[in-house]
Amino acid sequence: KAGVTQTPRYLIKTRGQQVTLSCSPISGHRSVSWYQQTPGQGLQFLFEYFSETQRNKGNFPGRFSGRQFSNSRSEMNVSTLELGDSALYLCASSLEGSSRVQVLNTEAFFGQGTRLTVV
Amino acid sequence: KNEVEQSPQNLTAQEGEFITINCSYSVGISALHWLQQHPGGGIVSLFMLSSGKKKHGRLIATINIQEKHSSLHITASHPRDSAVYICAVSGTETSGSRLTFGEGTQLTVNP
Repeated sequence: KAGVTQTPRYLIKTRGQQVTLSCSPISGHRSVSWYQQTPGQGLQFLFEYFSETQRNKGNFPGRFSGRQFSNSRSEMNVSTLELGDSALYLCASSLEGSSRVQVLNTEAFFGQGTRLTVV
Repeated sequence: KNEVEQSPQNLTAQEGEFITINCSYSVGISALHWLQQHPGGGIVSLFMLSSGKKKHGRLIATINIQEKHSSLHITASHPRDSAVYICAVSGTETSGSRLTFGEGTQLTVNP
């Protein structure tokens, strides 16, 4: 079974540009979460999608957005890039059922990440 | 104060040593996760715990729900164990299923 696939692996963008990152979850997984990792702030939650709906959102500005498609693949978009957006962006997929117990006890599988550098 | 605290932040050991990394959390959770991150970025899930103890090879993870504390042990450490180990919790009262992370422990095992 293929793991979580993130593309691209590396990206260099200029301030003010926008960027779209892609995450393909493990086959059968319906939940995709996005995280930002920086040396100063560590790993921080961006948002979570489940069955094409945003279920949870972290404390990031509106420049950060995402979506999920019917095949569970997810994209995140950052507009008007700033130098501080340089980070490793990780996505994680989970196999979840519909009950609360299943949602709260599900294991996350991470992709290799996309390293974004804003210059 | 962070919801998830790890110690130590940095750990250097000699090959063969027994290693312990600690994690404390301050909120109610449904599960605690131990993750491993190698240089290059990818994160691997080592354990997910709701109670008790789990073992996989040379790795052992324990959790004490009453004390809100978990430990990750590595027996007979090896240089290939060098990585960042991250504790994360899910199912807090405010966060649902998303993960909240500790700051990580950088482990270096010297030959």
